[in-house]
Amino acid sequence: QKEVEQDPGPLSVPEGAIVSLNCTYSNSAFQYFMWYRQYSRKGPELLMYTYSSGNKEDGRFTAQVDKSSKYISLFIRDSQPSDSATYLCAMSGHSGGSNYKLTFGKGTLLTVNP
Amino acid sequence: GAVVSQHPSWVICKSGTSVKIECRSLDFQATTMFWYRQFPKQSLMLMATSNEGSKATYEQGVEKDKFLINHASLTLSTLTVTSAHPEDSSFYICSVSGRGYEQYFGPGTRLTVT
Repeated sequence: QKEVEQDPGPLSVPEGAIVSLNCTYSNSAFQYFMWYRQYSRKGPELLMYTYSSGNKEDGRFTAQVDKSSKYISLFIRDSQPSDSATYLCAMSGHSGGSNYKLTFGKGTLLTVNP
Repeated sequence: GAVVSQHPSWVICKSGTSVKIECRSLDFQATTMFWYRQFPKQSLMLMATSNEGSKATYEQGVEKDKFLINHASLTLSTLTVTSAHPEDSSFYICSVSGRGYEQYFGPGTRLTVT
């Protein structure tokens, strides 16, 4: 079993739809959870950053973490064509000298159609 | 967040030559920088963790003599691909560690070895 599982998609939605992106993980040591957006041939851009369980909202984006289920989600409201990108979940935890290493999901390719 | 630049953004080199890629943290003193590579439609693979003033820590399977990393200052890390071969063609991305566990990525360097 991989440490982080993420459905690669592709996911195609109409403009204005609510998008739900998810990752599951197996390592209970993970405590820090991030979502990155990556446009084609660009570096990943940090969207959301949460610690432990709970919700965090930033504009049209909401990140949820459920540590009991080892499940994290990113919701995008009122999706726009400019949201079309690959979304990567990433997580980190206390692990001795590798505290700062991120473990990434494979990424979900999202297309928002006008 | 931190602003990270990379240079060059795209480089083509002949097989057997060496290529140097620079990663700069423009507004943040980065004690720790990371180097990743990414193949098309795949997620990021951590190559090494670079600490200012000390030797880099390489991930298992990454040849340290082939991928030379130097982190000479708090704002600059370099990756040199020595004796490059076509299989080294990839997208190389650096990141800096933020104040927490988040990472901020550069725009990436596309390396093509002919």
